[in-house]
Amino acid sequence: DIQMTQSPSSLSASVGDTVTITCRASRSIGDWLAWYQQKPGKPPKLLIYKTSILESGVPSRFSGAYSGTQFTLTISGLQPDDFATYYCQQWTAFGQGTKLEIK
Amino acid sequence: QITLKESGPTLVKPTQTLTLTCAFSGFSLDTNGVGVAWIRQPPGKALEFLALIYWDDDKRYSPSLESRLTISKDTSKNQVVVRMTNMDPVDTATYYCAHSRIAASGTNFNFWGQGTLVTVSS
Repeated sequence: DIQMTQSPSSLSASVGDTVTITCRASRSIGDWLAWYQQKPGKPPKLLIYKTSILESGVPSRFSGAYSGTQFTLTISGLQPDDFATYYCQQWTAFGQGTKLEIK
Repeated sequence: QITLKESGPTLVKPTQTLTLTCAFSGFSLDTNGVGVAWIRQPPGKALEFLALIYWDDDKRYSPSLESRLTISKDTSKNQVVVRMTNMDPVDTATYYCAHSRIAASGTNFNFWGQGTLVTVSS
């Protein structure tokens, strides 16, 4: 059973900053990893799938990459709308989430 | 336009069985590569996968909850139903259904319902 370990659990940043969130798989899972953004009281929104493909309508400041079993979500030039909780997911496993807060 | 909507009881008693229905539109669940999943989120906590049903009626369950879960589909009604037995207060959560894109090497959830909050309490 795959486990996804996501870090950090929380992160403070300012508008305009670049931040990176990491997700590590318990074993090699290829490159089919997805990232979601969730705001309070709302369902998650798919941002990226297959590690680096942006879902339609997602701004290009979001990007994804991987190396071995470590996956990263990078947000370049944070916008006020980006402050939310982010989750990684592969098959039936979700990460524990990263809450991105305004500094 | 794909939409999904969850329905079911908002309050169940401990030991009871929860039955939730996902009514969807904008896609067919007999299309190759399509599935519907149930995912839950306890208040203030992370997302947790529960079950996924594929277009070909194959099913996947959370290993830790598999003994309590049953997922089924009614393609003619565009509905997916999940049943969870022996409910406990720790099962209090918002339950989401989601459209799944399924490939050989993975799946993702690209459309979600708004979720339904289920409280387990006597």
